[in-house]
Amino acid sequence: QSVLTQPPSASGTPGQRVTISCSGSSSNIGSNTVNWYQQLPGTAPKLLIYSNNQRPSGVPDRFSGSKSGSSASLAISGLQSEDEADYSCATFDDTLNAWVFGGGTKLTVL
Amino acid sequence: QVQLQESGPGLVKPSETLSLTCTVSGGSVSRGSYYWSWIRQPPGKGLEWIGYIYYSGSTNYNPSLKSRVTISVDTSKNQFSLIVSSVTAADTAVYYCARVTMTAWYPDYFDYWGQGTLVTVSS
Repeated sequence: QSVLTQPPSASGTPGQRVTISCSGSSSNIGSNTVNWYQQLPGTAPKLLIYSNNQRPSGVPDRFSGSKSGSSASLAISGLQSEDEADYSCATFDDTLNAWVFGGGTKLTVL
Repeated sequence: QVQLQESGPGLVKPSETLSLTCTVSGGSVSRGSYYWSWIRQPPGKGLEWIGYIYYSGSTNYNPSLKSRVTISVDTSKNQFSLIVSSVTAADTAVYYCARVTMTAWYPDYFDYWGQGTLVTVSS
């Protein structure tokens, strides 16, 4: 049972906009910034969004992040087949004194 | 471009000790802007943070694993290492090493990752 809650799956057709949610509490998302990671099949996670809504160099602007209260969201616009991957949120939990991850959302491009 | 590479045995017997090393290239573990971390992912499950270390040797561990985990750094070899003692089947996972970038002197995000190494605990 992950501290951060994500839907196990999401899907969309090419060109669509998809949103993935990440729900936490006041001790984690409510107090700290959120990062998002993309994990293509059989590969290591890749940093996609940091500090709630910042994109590292090289990440397309089709990917965007937001945070409100104790929840965060990742939005992918103009969905492409290569976006098919697992997406995980992460932040620090002040009560647990540990970094915590969501369970991951498997995105399928139909 | 910073690169990280995990190395170590892929098979460990129950009750024994798991030992992995992460070699960093294209950057220095001694640079004060970063922490160096271990994260694992059991097959088919989500990511779990194990802990991280600063070049000075200062560490922070996941409380759920703290009693069995030690992370150390060797600045002369530009490496950092992980030891997990008294392993069980629940420790079977892909183990990743990663760099942690700080913002305002606070660990903020994991920006570079190794490719990961599968460690299986089995007799």
